[in-house]
Amino acid sequence: AQRVTQPEKLLSVFKGAPVELKCNYSYSGSPELFWYVQYSRQRLQLLLRHISRESIKGFTADLNKGETSFHLKKPFAQEEDSAMYYCALKPTGGFKTIFGAGTRLFVKA
Amino acid sequence: GAGVSQTPSNKVTEKGKYVELRCDPISGHTALYWYRQSLGQGPEFLIYFQGTGAADDSGLPNDRFFAVRPEGSVSTLKIQRTERGDSAVYLCASSLMAGGSNYGYTFGSGTRLTVV
Repeated sequence: AQRVTQPEKLLSVFKGAPVELKCNYSYSGSPELFWYVQYSRQRLQLLLRHISRESIKGFTADLNKGETSFHLKKPFAQEEDSAMYYCALKPTGGFKTIFGAGTRLFVKA
Repeated sequence: GAGVSQTPSNKVTEKGKYVELRCDPISGHTALYWYRQSLGQGPEFLIYFQGTGAADDSGLPNDRFFAVRPEGSVSTLKIQRTERGDSAVYLCASSLMAGGSNYGYTFGSGTRLTVV
């Protein structure tokens, strides 16, 4: 079965500290992986996708097929990074995206 | 429009009533999705439209739920005989390519449905 697991419901870090939001997936093929973010009172929006290997707002995520992980990282957290983060998987060639339960990141001043 | 528009933003209805939730996707986006998000959970897939047809409705929980997209743009999610367990935020998303491949979704702000 296809599944996305985000083991932490809440992650609290100090401003300037490194942050890593964990994501593990279960899928037998090669998935497309995404991170979505929802800031307070805003709609859910795409943060980054593994295919483009991009860095958005200082965040990066590397697909590790051996560990079936797609952790989101940022070397120096900012207060404006406080939000709800969702890891998501879409089977290659498929239509539906499967979301994890989300991790709330709280960056303290 | 500039983004995905969902109406109403909030809907309170009595148990047993019928509700309709509307989604207006980004112009030109052929793929449209409905998701449901319960408290403390991530979005859960309901149905996917490519053009006017429902290409995958495997996420609809039961036959009380139905969705249409008659002209390939605006979509309506219909829930009959609502139950308290239907209370959730219903999200609509659209994408330019079938499956949203490589580009991800653009989400609407959702409709918060409360069944009392």
